Amino acid sequence: GAVVSQHPSWVICKSGTSVKIECRSLDFQATTMFWYRQFPKQSLMLMATSNEGSKATYEQGVEKDKFLINHASLTLSTLTVTSAHPEDSSFYICSATLLVHQETQYFGPGTRLLVL
Amino acid sequence: KNEVEQSPQNLTAQEGEFITINCSYSVGISALHWLQQHPGGGIVSLFMLSSGKKKHGRLIATINIQEKHSSLHITASHPRDSAVYICAVRGATNKLIFGTGTLLAVQP
Repeated sequence: GAVVSQHPSWVICKSGTSVKIECRSLDFQATTMFWYRQFPKQSLMLMATSNEGSKATYEQGVEKDKFLINHASLTLSTLTVTSAHPEDSSFYICSATLLVHQETQYFGPGTRLLVL
Repeated sequence: KNEVEQSPQNLTAQEGEFITINCSYSVGISALHWLQQHPGGGIVSLFMLSSGKKKHGRLIATINIQEKHSSLHITASHPRDSAVYICAVRGATNKLIFGTGTLLAVQP
């Protein structure tokens, strides 16, 4: 089946630093990648939708200058949390859809971010 | 009120029991997904439904479009089924709207 990887799987950083999270589709081309955030005991919340070669579409309330998304190829999207603060500590998950079957989303394993 | 509601929020079962998790939604949808989230956080897609019923191994998912309701059944439950089960619907914007999940613990 289609595999999506994320790197790193967990990261601890100091407040004020920037953190980059990578999302890769390993064995397929993904036209669209989604970035989600999940706080403890809560459900996934969509942050943004990323299409290869174009600007990401952010959900209401998500700061595009704080959460920079780059989707430079059909297999890689990156999320950069700029000037991270403790309230950005969360579980970040990406998903990707196949070029030819866009109804099914394949989820990455997630990245746990802790900002001290 | 959330657009996607799941019940129960928490469920404890004994190994071998038949389990049902329910999902109700209030928006028009093109498809409904059942997802499994393991304790480490990884998410696996179990089913995608737009009508009727699907079966995969010990898992069965049904959907009633008129009643805006879906159920996930697990037959002969096993401790390895312990996870969070999430219902998500695909609305008019093609984005997924997630339920809050059902935490299932199957005890040996």
